[in-house]
Amino acid sequence: AQKVTQAQTEISVVEKEDVTLDCVYETRDTTYYLFWYKQPPSGELVFLIRRNSFDEQNEISGRYSWNFQKSTSSFNFTITASQVVDSAVYFCALTRSGYALNFGKGTSLLVTP
Amino acid sequence: SAVISQKPSRDICQRGTSLTIQCQVDSQVTMMFWYRQQPGQSLTLIATANQGSEATYESGFVIDKFPISRPNLTFSTLTVSNMSPEDSSIYLCSAAPGTLETQYFGPGTRLLVL
Repeated sequence: AQKVTQAQTEISVVEKEDVTLDCVYETRDTTYYLFWYKQPPSGELVFLIRRNSFDEQNEISGRYSWNFQKSTSSFNFTITASQVVDSAVYFCALTRSGYALNFGKGTSLLVTP
Repeated sequence: SAVISQKPSRDICQRGTSLTIQCQVDSQVTMMFWYRQQPGQSLTLIATANQGSEATYESGFVIDKFPISRPNLTFSTLTVSNMSPEDSSIYLCSAAPGTLETQYFGPGTRLLVL
């Protein structure tokens, strides 16, 4: 079975601070896929990134960066210089090809001016 | 990527009635998924819908309560039957075009049952 743990329920930061959202996963599959999704107050689920289990290269996209470490089964997400528009619930998810996503409980991020 | 639309976007329904939610994908996909998100909670898979076969339901969800149709490769419906206030949730459909890896989501249907 696959499991995703997001231990941080809520995080509150002041604008321009850096913030890291933690994600730890469990799986017995050798090939799997990790995701981060953003859910703003409007409710839609926005895809941010997919990482394959065989690709441990970290990724940076603007103010967003992701650190994938198989040795610790973690896939952490860092927002640099946070902005109010980053306020949302962020979900980490895990799957194998052709199957539904297993979601963590989500981390609610509040960025205040 | 994929563009997924859902109808209705929200609804307020009376106890004991049924609501059918439609999900349309802008490309052909093998599998579509239906999730439920209860207030303040994460997403829980209801069922997986393959075209041309019966949907596969997760533990705790049954076909009589959540019948699903999948008439073609771009469309699916989920019906919430005999609704009760506990069914008040956001219902989301998703699909993974192409290589079955990245799932994209519809905007969700916000359901309130009185």
